[in-house]
Amino acid sequence: GDSVTQMEGPVTLSEEAFLTINCTYTATGYPSLFWYVQYPGEGLQLLLKATKADDKGSNKGFEATYRKETTSFHLEKGSVQVSDSAVYFCALSPGTASKLTFGTGTRLQVTL
Amino acid sequence: NAGVMQNPRHLVRRRGQEARLRCSPMKGHSHVYWYRQLPEEGLKFMVYLQKENIIDESGMPKERFSAEFPKEGPSILRIQQVVRGDSAAYFCASSPAGGRADTQYFGPGTRLTVL
Repeated sequence: GDSVTQMEGPVTLSEEAFLTINCTYTATGYPSLFWYVQYPGEGLQLLLKATKADDKGSNKGFEATYRKETTSFHLEKGSVQVSDSAVYFCALSPGTASKLTFGTGTRLQVTL
Repeated sequence: NAGVMQNPRHLVRRRGQEARLRCSPMKGHSHVYWYRQLPEEGLKFMVYLQKENIIDESGMPKERFSAEFPKEGPSILRIQQVVRGDSAAYFCASSPAGGRADTQYFGPGTRLTVL
């Protein structure tokens, strides 16, 4: 079945550092790929998405590129802020179906 | 403009009791999804409902778990005779008609602890 693997946390960075959170997937066909973010005490929010190979999703300085050849969707940000501290989830859905398959989440802690 | 509401936020039950988790979707949303997050694991899909219908329950355990989304009122996830392994965070999401994954809006979750 479908699965998502993302790097374990916590990831601790200083403010303005470069961020990479790795995500790889296994799926049949051509899934859509997502990054969700969860701030403390809140629900998951969609951060960005990509629906086909070589698409780049971007939002709030974060970006991720759908790489079919390596089945990856790594999340990157050039300069993190303390306010980016949260848990980040990589997810996929098969085509236009509704069911989301999530990775285990990566906790990011940004310090001054 | 309220988002997806879940209550209670925290629920403690003893083994053998029943747990009822409620989810009120965003205004105008007619699709509800339930996900469960066990400790140290990712969120896992449980069930997808529209008003008065279960569309996909492929992720629901076969016993003790049930879900409904009545014409009026919130969606309810019911767990009968809870066991310690049911301890988890339960997330609800809602979407407008169509059910595309990128339009799912998540609630803050209910943390269930079974003693």
